Amino acid sequence: DTAVSQTPKYLVTQMGNDKSIKCEQNLGHDTMYWYKQDSKKFLKIMFSYNNKELIINETVPNRFSPKSPDKAHLNLHINSLELGDSAVYFCASSQLGQGAGGYTFGSGTRLTVV
Amino acid sequence: SQQGEEDPQALSIQEGENATMNCSYKTSINNLQWYRQNSGRGLVHLILIRSNEREKHSGRLRVTLDTSKKSSSLLITASRAADTASYFCPTDSWGKFQFGAGTQVVVTP
Repeated sequence: DTAVSQTPKYLVTQMGNDKSIKCEQNLGHDTMYWYKQDSKKFLKIMFSYNNKELIINETVPNRFSPKSPDKAHLNLHINSLELGDSAVYFCASSQLGQGAGGYTFGSGTRLTVV
Repeated sequence: SQQGEEDPQALSIQEGENATMNCSYKTSINNLQWYRQNSGRGLVHLILIRSNEREKHSGRLRVTLDTSKKSSSLLITASRAADTASYFCPTDSWGKFQFGAGTQVVVTP
């Protein structure tokens, strides 16, 4: 009964590969997000979707492509992985849009590019 | 940058003591939230304080907000080992939600 679940929890892959991270929320929230947390713990928003529609797209390389098949899912596909993509990626959701009511976060996906 | 910036960067206290950390931000906000992140885990929402509120309580947590100084504080009373975590204060400023690097709190028995 996990509220926001993302898979996989760990991902180790070689440079140049393409990988996907999946996220699902069962809270009925309208808005979902992807955040990247670097080694210094800074969390930066990457994308935000509201009811399957992209509403925030920060300065992220176009190798990163979010896909929202329905409002309960927001997947992140990364092409041509680079060493600098290594980080922890968090999915989150919120009800009131823009996190005004508080985010619910997934437990993170630790991506290591070697 | 509109992100909340937490201070201090790290805090070490003993069980039973109070822990206080501060957050400053640069622009006007709709609300400010505090989150906790235990090592290797996702962030957990602790409390939200709106821009027209000055103080809010939730269990052992007390949050204040001073919009004139663009700052907030989080007080954890009677700390426990389980409070060991990083604490973040993202600000919601008209569509932008940004996090700082957090305050790392270590509570020792």
